[in-house]
Amino acid sequence: AQKVTQAQTEISVVEKEDVTLDCVYETRDTTYYLFWYKQPPSGELVFLIRRNSFDEQNEISGRYSWNFQKSTSSFNFTITASQVVDSAVYFCALSELYNTDKLIFGTGTRLQVFP
Amino acid sequence: DAGVIQSPRHEVTEMGQEVTLRCKPISGHDYLFWYRQTMMRGLELLIYFNNNVPIDDSGMPEDRFSAKMPNASFSTLKIQPSEPRDSAVYFCASSLRGQGWDEQFFGPGTRLTVL
Repeated sequence: AQKVTQAQTEISVVEKEDVTLDCVYETRDTTYYLFWYKQPPSGELVFLIRRNSFDEQNEISGRYSWNFQKSTSSFNFTITASQVVDSAVYFCALSELYNTDKLIFGTGTRLQVFP
Repeated sequence: DAGVIQSPRHEVTEMGQEVTLRCKPISGHDYLFWYRQTMMRGLELLIYFNNNVPIDDSGMPEDRFSAKMPNASFSTLKIQPSEPRDSAVYFCASSLRGQGWDEQFFGPGTRLTVL
């Protein structure tokens, strides 16, 4: 069965620190997709990135980077030089190509960045 | 594009009343999803539609919940009668094709409080 685990419920850092949010997933499919969404205090969910199971290349976008490792079933998210505006709840999610169109979310990690 | 539009943004009602939540997906998107977010259960998929047809409603908690999509630009989620445990944030999301690859675009959510 599909499952996404975000073991870190809450993380607090001081501005300019680097922080890594962990995501571990379970799936029986060989073709699947992984996502990260951000939910700022305003409440809406904002798409950050998606990755397919055949592309293990890490990705960097500004201060954000993602490390996808199939060997450990992990898709971790790192924010470099964190800023107060990064404070939000971050969700990792999984979908499988041949198992309907459902997006399975983890429980989220609340990140608080203090000035 | 205006993005996914939800109304109302906030709803406060008394137990036993009927509640109707509304959603307008992004134009051209074939899939529409209804989610519920609570502290206890996180983000749960309630039901989703493909081309206005309900595909999977296994997440709908009880018969008190019903959802319709009369046309491609409008969907409703109805709770009748409402109960305090229905208090949550309800999100509507849409995606272009709904396949595992497609990102879902979320609306701002409706915060429902049932007294």
